Amino acid sequence: AQSVAQPEDQVNVAEGNPLTVKCTYSVSGNPYLFWYVQYPNRGLQFLLKYITGDNLVKGSYGFEAEFNKSQTSFHLKKPSALVSDSALYFCAVRDFSSNTGKLIFGQGTTLQVKP
Amino acid sequence: EPEVTQTPSHQVTQMGQEVILRCVPISNHLYFYWYRQILGQKVEFLVSFYNNEISEKSEIFDDQFSVERPDGSNFTLKIRSTKLEDSAMYFCARQRGQGEAFFGQGTRLTVV
Repeated sequence: AQSVAQPEDQVNVAEGNPLTVKCTYSVSGNPYLFWYVQYPNRGLQFLLKYITGDNLVKGSYGFEAEFNKSQTSFHLKKPSALVSDSALYFCAVRDFSSNTGKLIFGQGTTLQVKP
Repeated sequence: EPEVTQTPSHQVTQMGQEVILRCVPISNHLYFYWYRQILGQKVEFLVSFYNNEISEKSEIFDDQFSVERPDGSNFTLKIRSTKLEDSAMYFCARQRGQGEAFFGQGTRLTVV
């Protein structure tokens, strides 16, 4: 079965420092991986995706993620965190075991950036 | 990409009542989805809708749930007889091909 794990419920980082939000996946075949961000009382906003190509993908708001096939990971990164980055972050993988392409989400990681 | 718009943003309903959550307008995407997020928990797939038919549904999507495109643009999720455990954020999403899904801002359903 396809699955995604986010091992940290919360990540705390000081403003200006680099941040990493971890994600590992388990899929059969090549993974289609996504990161979404959710601000309080808001919907899910797409940040970036990996489907094929370069292992380092760049997305919105200065975020990037590194696909590592050997470690089955897709960690979200940003070189310099902002207080406004504080939000709930979800990693997701496309489920190809069905033909609908639905997303399977990790449990989410709360990012707290302190001034 | 235009956003997916959901109405209402928040709905409070009595247990046992019917609710209809709406997703409007819909662009010319083929795949539509409903997901649910119980407070503090992860986002879960409910149902996918392709070419005006349900293409897949999860275990959560039991007989109390139904989806429709009543007028060819609006996309609705109906819960016939709400239970307390149906309280959650409900998200509509659209997707074209194998790319990313775009989500609405969600409807917060509170069943009392």
